[in-house]
Amino acid sequence: EAGVVQSPRYKIIEKKQPVAFWCNPISGHNTLYWYRQNLGQGPELLIRYENEEAVDDSQLPKDRFSAERLKGVDSTLKIQPAELGDSAVYLCASSLGGPGQETQYFGPGTRLLVL
Amino acid sequence: DQQVKQNSPSLSVQEGRISILNCDYTNSMFDYFLWYKKYPAEGPTFLISISSIKDKNEDGRFTVFLNKSAKHLSLHIVPSQPGDSAVYFCAAYLDTGGFKTIFGAGTRLFVKA
Repeated sequence: EAGVVQSPRYKIIEKKQPVAFWCNPISGHNTLYWYRQNLGQGPELLIRYENEEAVDDSQLPKDRFSAERLKGVDSTLKIQPAELGDSAVYLCASSLGGPGQETQYFGPGTRLLVL
Repeated sequence: DQQVKQNSPSLSVQEGRISILNCDYTNSMFDYFLWYKKYPAEGPTFLISISSIKDKNEDGRFTVFLNKSAKHLSLHIVPSQPGDSAVYFCAAYLDTGGFKTIFGAGTRLFVKA
């Protein structure tokens, strides 16, 4: 079974430019997460989807970040405009969702460098 | 406010010996605790978990111990192997009606051959 797929794996952009990341979760997983991981830190949740609905976006900087999960399958995370501090690894994860389904399956991440 | 803390950034262990990775938490309402393992250029992968109603869970060479009174958990790897060298993240899961998972900063384990 295929795991969580993310693209691109690496992205280098100049500040103030837009950037987008794509994620395809494990088939049948209703819950999708976007995390940001800074160097030397653990993953920090940006947004969580239950099917198409964003049920927790409290940590998403909404002035510049946006996300969508059309049709409740794959998802896109966008930053516009990017700032130097956005340099990090952006991880997508999925899970079956619901009580007792706490195990998350992570993709390899997109490493973003903003110059 | 760090609710999940891993105070040791790194740990070095000889092959064949025991590795003990520690994690402290502040919120007594966490329902589950999980350990994830991460190799370079890969995403974290689930390793082992423990329910808050238990004090021990074992899976092969990996055992997690939970001390709720001390709000402390530990991961024991016995015997340690060079392939265990990775970053280990402790995570705590809270079912608030929203299922939030909070990760620690990670501990990098080096297993020397």
